[in-house]
Amino acid sequence: LAKTTQPISMDSYEGQEVNITCSHNNIATNDYITWYQQFPSQGPRFIIQGYKTKVTNEVASLFIPADRKSSTLSLPRVSLSDTAVYYCLVGDIFSGGYNKLIFGAGTRLAVHP
Amino acid sequence: GAGVSQSPRYKVAKRGQDVALRCDPISGHVSLFWYQQALGQGPEFLTYFQNEAQLDKSGLPSDRFFAERPEGSVSTLKIQRTQQEDSAVYLCASSLAGTQDIGYTFGSGTRLTVV
Repeated sequence: LAKTTQPISMDSYEGQEVNITCSHNNIATNDYITWYQQFPSQGPRFIIQGYKTKVTNEVASLFIPADRKSSTLSLPRVSLSDTAVYYCLVGDIFSGGYNKLIFGAGTRLAVHP
Repeated sequence: GAGVSQSPRYKVAKRGQDVALRCDPISGHVSLFWYQQALGQGPEFLTYFQNEAQLDKSGLPSDRFFAERPEGSVSTLKIQRTQQEDSAVYLCASSLAGTQDIGYTFGSGTRLTVV
């Protein structure tokens, strides 16, 4: 399983764009990159997933360079409610009929007024 | 239901007691996972069910941990003779199928404190 490395914590202010980069140097050909968000006292919530280039949804954008050894989660114009822990996961989402998500410690994002 | 429901939300157990944690997955979801999350850490995989079959229990930390899903819907995680190191949040997640191309839906968890 590919290991991921991401910053332990980040600080931002309301209205700013936040970019969280995740390194996954040993990513395999069949691996996808998935990001989850977790608020205190709640379970993780799926945000976005991609394989290469750029993916965008109503919550975030995910940028993946051609070598796929890293990825960047971009949160546009953050608000206080975006304060959470963000997890980057890498894995073959179609392998063996299921994928047991492997979480690291995540990045604690604090958004300030 | 609309989401994954877990009960109780909080459980305090005396060391040595047995506890049972319940998970109600989203109706129709085939796959069900249990995770353990220690304070300040990411969730760690415990076990996986596909319908009623427990296909992977490689993450269960000891034989004191037991999980079941007898009818392929509700699941129970049982911990026998609880120890202080069992204190954690226990999360349940479900998905329509085993693949996670649309992500897994997690419950809010059960916070277990062993005193």
